[in-house]
Amino acid sequence: GAVVSQHPSRVICKSGTSVKIECRSLDFQATTMFWYRQFPKQSLMLMATSNEGSKATYEQGVEKDKFLINHASLTLSTLTVTSAHPEDSSFYICSAGQGFRETQYFGPGTRLLVL
Amino acid sequence: AQKVTQAQTEISVVEKEDVTLDCVYETRDTTYYLFWYKQPPSGELVFLIRRNSFDEQNEISGRYSWNFQKSTSSFNFTITASQVVDSAVYFCALRNTGNQFYFGTGTSLTVIP
Repeated sequence: GAVVSQHPSRVICKSGTSVKIECRSLDFQATTMFWYRQFPKQSLMLMATSNEGSKATYEQGVEKDKFLINHASLTLSTLTVTSAHPEDSSFYICSAGQGFRETQYFGPGTRLLVL
Repeated sequence: AQKVTQAQTEISVVEKEDVTLDCVYETRDTTYYLFWYKQPPSGELVFLIRRNSFDEQNEISGRYSWNFQKSTSSFNFTITASQVVDSAVYFCALRNTGNQFYFGTGTSLTVIP
């Protein structure tokens, strides 16, 4: 079946650096992808909707200048955490699918630890 | 706006007991999907079931069953004869026509051998 991958699966970085996380749909094209964040022992919260060829739509309270999203192709969306701080440490998950009646697939997630 | 509530934060049961995880949702949409996911310690979401808003038929899959009641906006999940491998965090979620997911806060289930 359809699969969504994320890379890297785990990343540790120093405070102040930027980190890029990739989300790929492996065997289907996705005009829209979604990014979620999950803090330890909490729920997944939608951060933004990534639209191929246009600007991402961010949820209220999510800083668009800090979390840069680029959906450059129909199979790839990237989330860049700029000038990361320890409070950005979290589990980031993407999802992708085709159309409302189709299945949305979640990636395996990326654990970010900012020291 | 959409909202999903899972009132049970943590549940512990002894192996072979039945357990029901509650889920209540709020939405003004008439068309939506409801889901249950299992999240083991690895973090990866494991899909369990999807239900669309027009299908209130209850479903059984092995030891798992789901009770969807639109009148009470509930979508409860029952595990019969629980096993240690069922220990995980379970999330109920609603997906709108924009394909955005709204998750509940999760229920952490511990099955004691």
